[in-house]
Amino acid sequence: QKEVEQDPGPLSVPEGAIVSLNCTYSNSAFQYFMWYRQYSRKGPELLMYTYSSGNKEDGRFTAQVDKSSKYISLFIRDSQPSDSATYLCAMSAESGGSYIPTFGRGTSLIVHP
Amino acid sequence: GAVVSQHPSRVICKSGTSVKIECRSLDFQATTMFWYRQFPKKSLMLMATSNEGSKATYEQGVEKDKFLINHASLTLSTLTVTSAHPEDSSFYICSARVGQGDSPLHFGNGTRLTVT
Repeated sequence: QKEVEQDPGPLSVPEGAIVSLNCTYSNSAFQYFMWYRQYSRKGPELLMYTYSSGNKEDGRFTAQVDKSSKYISLFIRDSQPSDSATYLCAMSAESGGSYIPTFGRGTSLIVHP
Repeated sequence: GAVVSQHPSRVICKSGTSVKIECRSLDFQATTMFWYRQFPKKSLMLMATSNEGSKATYEQGVEKDKFLINHASLTLSTLTVTSAHPEDSSFYICSARVGQGDSPLHFGNGTRLTVT
């Protein structure tokens, strides 16, 4: 079992839809949780960064962490064609004084007009 | 803030030659930078951790003599792919973090390496 599981998709939705992206993980030591957006042929861009269980909202994006279920989600409201990208979840635990994130394989999202 | 610049964005080289990729933190100092490799539809694979003024730490299975890393200043790390072969063709991405070790990574825009 991989440490971080993420469905690669693609997930295709119409413009304006609410998108739900998810990751599960097996390492209960993970403390920090991140979502990155990656456009084709570009590097990942940090979208959300959370520490504890619960919700964190930033504009149209909401990150949700459920540590008891080892499950994290990213919700995108009023999705736009410009949201079409690959979304990577990442999570990290302390190891030797450092936090090196473990990434999911990414979910490809397509928002069509 | 937290801009990481990576050059070149794309490079094509012949088999047997070496290629250098630069990673710069533009608006912050980075004592540590991270080099990743990404295969199509795969997650990011950490290759090595680049430490300013000291030797890089390589992940298991990554050949340190093939992927030379130099972190000579607080804003620049370089990755040199030596004696490149077609199987080295990939997307290489560097990253760095601002502040404490638990802060998130910020990534450069990657380098697409094609070895012919």
